[in-house]
Amino acid sequence: EAGVTQSPTHLIKTRGQQATLRCSPISGHTSVYWYQQALGLGLQFLLWYDEGEERNRGNFPPRFSGRQFPNYSSELNVNALELEDSALYLCASSRLAGLDEQFFGPGTRLTVL
Amino acid sequence: GEDVEQSLFLSVREGDSSVINCTYTDSSSTYLYWYKQEPGAGLQLLTYIFSNMDMKQDQRLTVLLNKKDKHLSLRIADTQTGDSAIYFCAVPSGGYNKLIFGAGTRLAVHP
Repeated sequence: EAGVTQSPTHLIKTRGQQATLRCSPISGHTSVYWYQQALGLGLQFLLWYDEGEERNRGNFPPRFSGRQFPNYSSELNVNALELEDSALYLCASSRLAGLDEQFFGPGTRLTVL
Repeated sequence: GEDVEQSLFLSVREGDSSVINCTYTDSSSTYLYWYKQEPGAGLQLLTYIFSNMDMKQDQRLTVLLNKKDKHLSLRIADTQTGDSAIYFCAVPSGGYNKLIFGAGTRLAVHP
């Protein structure tokens, strides 16, 4: 069974640009979660999608948004990039909405110059 | 809100046991997780424990839970160099839809 996949592996952008990160959950998983792992800040919850809807979001500005597609894959968009957005962005999926352990992908490393 | 704390660094000799500790604040969590992150990689779910259990053993891994003190520990027996990684304790918050992570404990295994 394939795990959670994320693309791209690395992404380099300049300040003010937009970044789009993609995630494909494990087959059969309907919930997708996004986390940010920034240096010195640890792992922080960003967003939770289930059945195409945003169900919860962490303490992040509206520049961070996303969506979930009918095939349960998800996209994270970060607008007006700032230097402090540089981080590893991890996607996770779970079988049941918020009731099951989360399995993580390898992450996308976003560097903002 | 939920707060999860871990010590940041642990160094052990190969073959010894490692014990990584974690404390949390939310007493309503019924599942508690341990994740492992190797350099440059994502998170790997290592094990989890239900809050109605005191101990769970899975091969070289033993998880101990003291619910009264809100203390969780992960013991790795016969620690190997391949166990060198960052270990995160994670506690669900708000109905399991988000995990609150500790800062991670960097385990260094030396010969």
